[in-house]
Amino acid sequence: EAGVAQSPRYKIIEKRQSVAFWCNPISGHATLYWYQQILGQGPKLLIQFQNNGVVDDSQLPKDRFSAERLKGVDSTLKIQPAKLEDSAVYLCASSLKGLPNTEAFFGQGTRLTVV
Amino acid sequence: KQEVTQIPAALSVPEGENLVLNCSFTDSAIYNLQWFRQDPGKGLTSLLLIQSSQREQTSGRLNASLDKSSGRSTLYIAASQPGDSATYLCAVRPSLSKLSFGAGTTVTVRA
Repeated sequence: EAGVAQSPRYKIIEKRQSVAFWCNPISGHATLYWYQQILGQGPKLLIQFQNNGVVDDSQLPKDRFSAERLKGVDSTLKIQPAKLEDSAVYLCASSLKGLPNTEAFFGQGTRLTVV
Repeated sequence: KQEVTQIPAALSVPEGENLVLNCSFTDSAIYNLQWFRQDPGKGLTSLLLIQSSQREQTSGRLNASLDKSSGRSTLYIAASQPGDSATYLCAVRPSLSKLSFGAGTTVTVRA
């Protein structure tokens, strides 16, 4: 079974530029999550999708971050414009149907450095 | 708001010693608790998932216990090996919508 795929693995941009990350979840997983992990901290949920609908985006900085999952499969996360404090690893995860008693599986992450 | 704490933040042990990693959470109303491993520059690998109705889960050299009433979980790794060196994260699921993570314990196993 293929895992959660993310690209790119690494990205370096200047502040005020824009950047986009892509995630393809495990086949058949209806729930997709984007997490932000700042160095030395645990991951923090940015947004959760159930199929192509948003379940929770309460911690997404909506003035600069946006995410979509148009066909209920793969997803993109965009930052525009980027700030220095956005430097972090962005992790995508998926789980089956979003049921509370199922495991979440994570991708390798995209390491973003804003200079 | 659910707070998840992992102590210690870092741990160094000689090869062969048993590892004990602690996780505490403030709200006992959780669906489950999951332990993850994270290698430098990599994503998270799920190790064990404990449902709220369970007391423990075992996989090979790994054993995780859950005491929901006291808000604690412990991950035991028997007979540690240098390959066990990584950061171990615990996460609780307080609702359908999210996993709340601790900051992790970074483990170094010395050969």
